[in-house]
Amino acid sequence: KQEVTQIPAALSVPEGENLVLNCSFTDSAIYNLQWFRQDPGKGLTSLLLIQSSQREQTSGRLNASLDKSSGRSTLYIAASQPGDSATYLCAVLGSWGKLQFGSGTQVVVTP
Amino acid sequence: SAVISQKPSRDICQRGTSLTIQCQVDSQVTMMFWYRQQPGQSLTLIATANQGSEATYESGFVIDKFPISRPNLTFSTLTVSNMSPEDSSIYLCSVEEGNEQFFGPGTRLTVL
Repeated sequence: KQEVTQIPAALSVPEGENLVLNCSFTDSAIYNLQWFRQDPGKGLTSLLLIQSSQREQTSGRLNASLDKSSGRSTLYIAASQPGDSATYLCAVLGSWGKLQFGSGTQVVVTP
Repeated sequence: SAVISQKPSRDICQRGTSLTIQCQVDSQVTMMFWYRQQPGQSLTLIATANQGSEATYESGFVIDKFPISRPNLTFSTLTVSNMSPEDSSIYLCSVEEGNEQFFGPGTRLTVL
């Protein structure tokens, strides 16, 4: 059974610092990995999708890497801003055809 | 990317009653998914809804408690039946496009 873990569970940084969020998964037979952002009490916003054949994806200040063999993905957010404060979730789509979510990292960026 | 809307956005209900949540997508999709997010928790898949067939439920979820309708390729409903305070959660629908999943804004349900 696939297990997805996100460390740390919570993170607080001053504005301007880079954020590094980690996601690990136990079964490397995945189709893709997706990073989401969730604001309190709201739905999920898709940030980046990395296909299993890719090593990384970039969008603006966001960069996500994928190392399938070691079961890890890292989301980097450069030059953090208070508006980046949210919970970040990773999810893997496996051969079982369903999305398996991690428990999330709650990020606070202080002005 | 698909644009998904949900109604209601939030509700407060009495125990023993039922609530139906609607999910509308701006394009035709084969599969729609319903998730539950309990307070402080991550997302758990309730069921997958295909148009024209019965929904497929995950372990721990049953049709009598969470009946789902999928009358066409752009719309689905999830009913939370005979509610108890343990059903207080955010309920989200999602769709898949090109292996990427998109989510609606969620329905925040509080059961008293």
